[in-house]
Amino acid sequence: DVKVTQSSRYLVKRTGEKVFLECVQDMDHENMFWYRQDPGLGLRLIYFSYDVKMKEKGDIPEGYSVSREKKERFSLILESASTNQTSMYLCASTPGDEQFFGPGTRLTVL
Amino acid sequence: GENVEQHPSTLSVQEGDSAVIKCTYSDSASNYFPWYKQELGKRPQLIIDIRSNVGEKKDQRIAVTLNKTAKHFSLHITETQPEDSAVYFCAAPWAGGTSYGKLTFGQGTILTVHP
Repeated sequence: DVKVTQSSRYLVKRTGEKVFLECVQDMDHENMFWYRQDPGLGLRLIYFSYDVKMKEKGDIPEGYSVSREKKERFSLILESASTNQTSMYLCASTPGDEQFFGPGTRLTVL
Repeated sequence: GENVEQHPSTLSVQEGDSAVIKCTYSDSASNYFPWYKQELGKRPQLIIDIRSNVGEKKDQRIAVTLNKTAKHFSLHITETQPEDSAVYFCAAPWAGGTSYGKLTFGQGTILTVHP
């Protein structure tokens, strides 16, 4: 059974803070993704990684960076959080087709 | 990425009725079309997918149809039940460059099944 976990379910931060969201998968998947989910906008890809230390921008990378130091772990970093980054953040991993999602982190930036 | 449009944004049906959600895509080279279901407070999960070499695929009460000429695919749920209430997302492969399993998702459809 594939398991994708995220470090927090709920997070409240202040504007300007540096925020780390972590995602871990236990199925040795090469590819990992970070999405943000907003009502009416679906799931929008922020960044993805296809191997350790390899990353590429998705559709909405502005204001975010990522880190993949180990195959099982993919981190999303908000260098200086802003209120417009309040959202649900979902991590996913895939061996090729089906994507397996984490439970999500509801981030509120005050 | 790929441009995926999903309609309707909300759908309300009575238990036992059918529900249809439609998606259009822009890249004619796309060849894999999954549908994900996200129940309230839960993570999205794959419920059915179709590849471009078939026109229809069924799994019990759900089916997906694909029209490559018109570049649209649809999710059909028959004999709906309250537990079908969820947000449904369609998706298509990322257009341009190596896919690496990247998907572009539709905007989502909130399906409500009234008992």
